[in-house]
Amino acid sequence: AQTVTQSQPEMSVQEAETVTLSCTYDTSESDYYLFWYKQPPSRQMILVIRQEAYKQQNATENRFSVNFQKAAKSFSLKISDSQLGDAAMYFCAYRSSLTQGGSEKLVFGKGTKLTVNP
Amino acid sequence: DGGITQSPKYLFRKEGQNVTLSCEQNLNHDAMYWYRQDPGQGLRLIYYSQIVNDFQKGDIAEGYSVSREKKESFPLTVTSAQKNPTAFYLCAAGRTDTQYFGPGTRLTVL
Repeated sequence: AQTVTQSQPEMSVQEAETVTLSCTYDTSESDYYLFWYKQPPSRQMILVIRQEAYKQQNATENRFSVNFQKAAKSFSLKISDSQLGDAAMYFCAYRSSLTQGGSEKLVFGKGTKLTVNP
Repeated sequence: DGGITQSPKYLFRKEGQNVTLSCEQNLNHDAMYWYRQDPGQGLRLIYYSQIVNDFQKGDIAEGYSVSREKKESFPLTVTSAQKNPTAFYLCAAGRTDTQYFGPGTRLTVL
């Protein structure tokens, strides 16, 4: 079974600076998807960024980018120019590729609480 | 995602009662999911449905039931058999690779 580990329960960053959140995962599959979701105090899960394992290029979405290291099974999230609104819980998630007969479910890490200091 | 609605936002249940959580989507996604979130934890899958009139158990289905009579709707019933139902419940809808979440329902057992 796949597992996702977020080793940093809490992180903090100064406004306008850059922070990197870590995520590692364990799988024997070769094709899969990885996601970062943000959960602000409202508790709604918001998709931040997704990465397809067969793509070597790291995904980017505005100030958010990932460092995907497939061999190391690492998927870190970098937030540049941090803003007060970035303060939230961040969850890393894994999903199998359905074309390989994998499961539809998302496997989540336990999350990293990010605080942004003004 | 604004296309997924959950109601109510807060729900209180007495022990021994069944309660139903509503989830509706207007995204035209075939697949829908129910997850449970406990404090300090990630989400765990309860049930999912890929098409109307079909659904599968997730990792923690005991004490829960679902139905999928319409593509837009996937209600979750928390039965009295669920021993520790106090949690935050999130519904999601998705296409082939990505799931989008509703705002959630906080269920508290009194």
